[in-house]
Amino acid sequence: DAEITQSPRHKITETGRQVTLACHQTWNHNNMFWYRQDLGHGLRLIHYSYGVHDTNKGEVSDGYSVSRSNTEDLPLTLESAASSQTSVYFCASSESRLGNTEAFFGQGTRLTVV
Amino acid sequence: QKEVEQNSGPLSVPEGAIASLNCTYSDRVSQSFFWYRQYSGKSPELIMSIYSNGDKEDGRFTAQLNKASQYVSLLIRDSQPSDSATYLCAVTMIYNQGGKLIFGQGTELSVKP
Repeated sequence: DAEITQSPRHKITETGRQVTLACHQTWNHNNMFWYRQDLGHGLRLIHYSYGVHDTNKGEVSDGYSVSRSNTEDLPLTLESAASSQTSVYFCASSESRLGNTEAFFGQGTRLTVV
Repeated sequence: QKEVEQNSGPLSVPEGAIASLNCTYSDRVSQSFFWYRQYSGKSPELIMSIYSNGDKEDGRFTAQLNKASQYVSLLIRDSQPSDSATYLCAVTMIYNQGGKLIFGQGTELSVKP
């Protein structure tokens, strides 16, 4: 069965370290998204991609970067982790560029920056 | 102004009642509208999508869309304790490259037995 997986599921890191969160989907979807979820804020869009070599900034992109070298993967990198980036991170993918198809979510990664 | 806004709740309803969840959006180019349910500690899952004005029914769930008022709602009939979750409204906004999926902050629903 097609799926979308995130790794690691839990991560503790120190302030200032570089951290990369992995997202891998086997749906062959064009669109991939990274969100963070904090209490009271719902899901906030960090970065998104419509296809290979395409990346776009979302509403909370500062301190984060992504790259899309193939269809299946969109890794999220925190360049220099800060305590404000402690959050739950969700990756999602969807098929249509028009956005009229369901988005499927990974299980989430809980990141703690100490 | 946030692009997608929901009442954060919590919304508490007795078992068997109708739960009404509301969402407004700011961008008139919005094309597609979704309701996701998220149980505590889990990832969001799609329960309803709606693309044109009017009502769409699926079992105990009804989504309502009014593009003129930039308003979308979700009604849950015969609410069950298992419906207790956070409900996220999501809107796809179309730009030159494609659709960007934007979420509201979510409404926490509690169904009391």
